[in-house]
Amino acid sequence: EAGVVQSPRYKIIEKKQPVAFWCNPISGHNTLYWYRQNLGQGPELLIRYENEEAVDDSQLPKDRFSAERLKGVDSTLKIQPAELGDSAVYLCASTHGRERETQYFGPGTRLLVL
Amino acid sequence: GQNIDQPTEMTATEGAIVQINCTYQTSGFNGLFWYQQHAGEAPTFLSYNVLDGLEEKGRFSSFLSRSKGYSYLLLKELQMKDSASYLCAGGYNKLIFGAGTRLAVHP
Repeated sequence: EAGVVQSPRYKIIEKKQPVAFWCNPISGHNTLYWYRQNLGQGPELLIRYENEEAVDDSQLPKDRFSAERLKGVDSTLKIQPAELGDSAVYLCASTHGRERETQYFGPGTRLLVL
Repeated sequence: GQNIDQPTEMTATEGAIVQINCTYQTSGFNGLFWYQQHAGEAPTFLSYNVLDGLEEKGRFSSFLSRSKGYSYLLLKELQMKDSASYLCAGGYNKLIFGAGTRLAVHP
């Protein structure tokens, strides 16, 4: 069974430029999460989807960040415009959506904003 | 509020035993997870505790005390490949992760 797939793995952009990250969850997983992980810190939830519905986006900086999961499968996270402080690893995770279920993480996208 | 605390760094010797502690304060509780994360890689699941007590899984064991808001991860017969960050995570509707404990295993 394929794991969570993310692309690109690495991205270097200049500040004020837009950037997008893509995630394909494990097949059959209804719940999808986007996390941001700063160096030396644990992952912080940005947004959680149940199928195509964003059920928790309270931590998403909505002035510059947006996300979509139009068909309830793969998802895109966008930053526009990027700021220096956005440099981090962006992780995608998925589960079936059952209570107390283990989250499976993708390899992440390492973003560097110059 | 929700808060999870764990030590920043630990060192240990190959073949030894190490215990990584985690204390938590959450407005709701639905289980306590431990994840392992090697440098530059994604977190991978190690263990899950929802009831008090010790869960053993090979060289790794995890303990939970809900009344004390305390958990630990016990690693036995340490190997060099165990050098990684260990993340404690808990919460109710969503997981709150600790900052992770960087474990360095030396020969």
